[in-house]
Order: sequence, then C-alpha cells, then structure tokens
Amino acid sequence: KQEVTQIPAALSVPEGENLVLNCSFTDSAIYNLQWFRQDPGKGLTSLLLIQSSQREQTSGRLNASLDKSSGRSTLYIAASQPGDSATYLCAGGGSNYKLTFGKGTLLTVNP
Amino acid sequence: NAGVTQTPKFRVLKTGQSMTLLCAQDMNHEYMYWYRQDPGMGLRLIHYSVGEGTTAKGEVPDGYNVSRLKKQNFLLGLESAAPSQTSVYFCASKASGRETQYFGPGTRLLVL
Repeated sequence: KQEVTQIPAALSVPEGENLVLNCSFTDSAIYNLQWFRQDPGKGLTSLLLIQSSQREQTSGRLNASLDKSSGRSTLYIAASQPGDSATYLCAGGGSNYKLTFGKGTLLTVNP
Repeated sequence: NAGVTQTPKFRVLKTGQSMTLLCAQDMNHEYMYWYRQDPGMGLRLIHYSVGEGTTAKGEVPDGYNVSRLKKQNFLLGLESAAPSQTSVYFCASKASGRETQYFGPGTRLLVL
C-alpha cells in the first residue's frame, strides 16, 4: 500500500526566501507524482505533474523533482511571495491514476 | 467551461438520513473520482470510475455508494449518514490519455 509523507507539516518564511517542500513515498512503482495547492476552504489546484519517466518539471518560480529510487520528490519555490501562502499537497498516482495524498505542508510567507 | 462542479456546497444531515452528492464535469473526461478530506488524515479515495457505467472501490468505500449513469456525472450516495462521515468531499476528473486530475470546489458535509 502506497504511503505518502510530507515534511515539514508547517513552514513560515519571510518574503523573498527560496524554499523546499519535501515529499516521500513508499512504493516506487508510481505512475506519476503530482503537486497541488489548496487555499483555505477551497479545492485543489494542480501545480506540477511529473510522469514516472521524468526527473523534474518547471512552471514559473516552481520546480518539482522526482527520484523514484529513493522515493522522494521536492517542490522548490523561488523568491517566495505572500500570495504563495497555502497548503501544498503531494500525491502519488497509482493504477487507474488513483492518487494517494500526503497530509500537506502549510506554508506561510510573511511580508 | 465550468470544469468540475459539485452540488451542494454545504449540507447538514442528521444521523440516519440519506443524501446524494452530485459531481458534474463538462470536459468529456473518462475518469472520475470521489475523495474525502479530514483534518490530520489528508485526502482519501472513496470510489472511482474509469468510464460511463463503471465504478470501483477506493481506500475508504464503506458507507458510500456511487453511480456513473452519464459520462459527465458521478454521484456519491450516503444511505444512512453517520457522524464519522462528517468531512469535506472532493470530486475530480481526468481525461483518458492524460494524467492530471482536476478537482471540484468541494462539498462540506456535517452529520449530527
């Protein structure tokens, strides 16, 4: 059974700082690794998806990496802004692309 | 496109009552999923469908039933609600041949 863990559970940083969110998974036979953003009381917004054959994906100030052999993914956020404050979720995709989620990292970027 | 929509947005039930949550998508997606999100537990998969007329169990299916009579709709039913089913329910859909799942805004359910 796939298990996904996210560290840290919460992170507070000053504006402008570069930061890394960590995600680990137990089953390396994942189909993909997806990072989501969730604002309070809202749904999930997909940020980046890394297919199992890929090592990283980039979108703007975000860069996500995937290392299947070690069971790890990281989400790098450059030059953080207060608008980046949200909960970040990672999820591993399995058969039929069913997602197994971590519990999330609550990010606060202070002006 | 409205994307993925969920009805209702919020509902209060008494223990033992029944209700149906509706998920609709206008993107012609084949795959649809129901998840629940609880504090400290993350999101967990309840049921999913890989196409019209098909359904399958996820990680936490007990107490729920689903139907996918039309490709664009995925219904989640609670036959006899229990306080343990108090949660936020999210629906998601995915196109065949693509991997990204798109989520609805959620339904908050409170069972007293």
